[in-house]
Amino acid sequence: SAVISQKPSRDICQRGTSLTIQCQVDSQVTMMFWYRQQPGQSLTLIATANQGSEATYESGFVIDKFPISRPNLTFSTLTVSNMSPEDSSIYLCSVELATEAFFGQGTRLTVV
Amino acid sequence: AQSVTQLGSHVSVSEGALVLLRCNYSSSVPPYLFWYVQYPNQGLQLLLKYTSAATLVKGINGFEAEFKKSETSFHLTKPSAHMSDAAEYFCAVNRGNQFYFGTGTSLTVIP
Repeated sequence: SAVISQKPSRDICQRGTSLTIQCQVDSQVTMMFWYRQQPGQSLTLIATANQGSEATYESGFVIDKFPISRPNLTFSTLTVSNMSPEDSSIYLCSVELATEAFFGQGTRLTVV
Repeated sequence: AQSVTQLGSHVSVSEGALVLLRCNYSSSVPPYLFWYVQYPNQGLQLLLKYTSAATLVKGINGFEAEFKKSETSFHLTKPSAHMSDAAEYFCAVNRGNQFYFGTGTSLTVIP
């Protein structure tokens, strides 16, 4: 199994600012995944982060808006840039081990 | 594309009643299937998973799910609902190291 520590757990931010979310895993993993969960909706994959290479973004998500870092096999960050109220969501990081997905507790972001 | 469909975005049951949450998958080859639960203000937690072994899969907290290839279904059941089961439930499929989640079913348990 994997234990994922994600922080901050929640934040309220002003529009136009940026927030960086951190995700720490207790074991080395090749890929880390970042999801967005908008209010009352399911999870949408933002991007897949591999160590040592650029993240792969899903349709509708771009690096300028959601830059990702993956400096080593246990850590990743997601930045939500130039925020607007539409970015208010829960952001989740995830890893896969033995076909199972493990999730952090999520970051509940409110943009005002 | 691999996907799952959850029928019913909201389900209400009385405490002690049967819980049935529906999930259908679209795939020509049996995939890996999962049910996750999300309690308020928390991340997702695995309830159970199907990986082509037994078709009836038992999970945590008394939940189980049956893989039915003929119906392309993987419905989640629990014989007797408990108040603590109130949460959001997601069906998911894993293909090529990527997970695809259903839209979720919010379970309400009525005392």
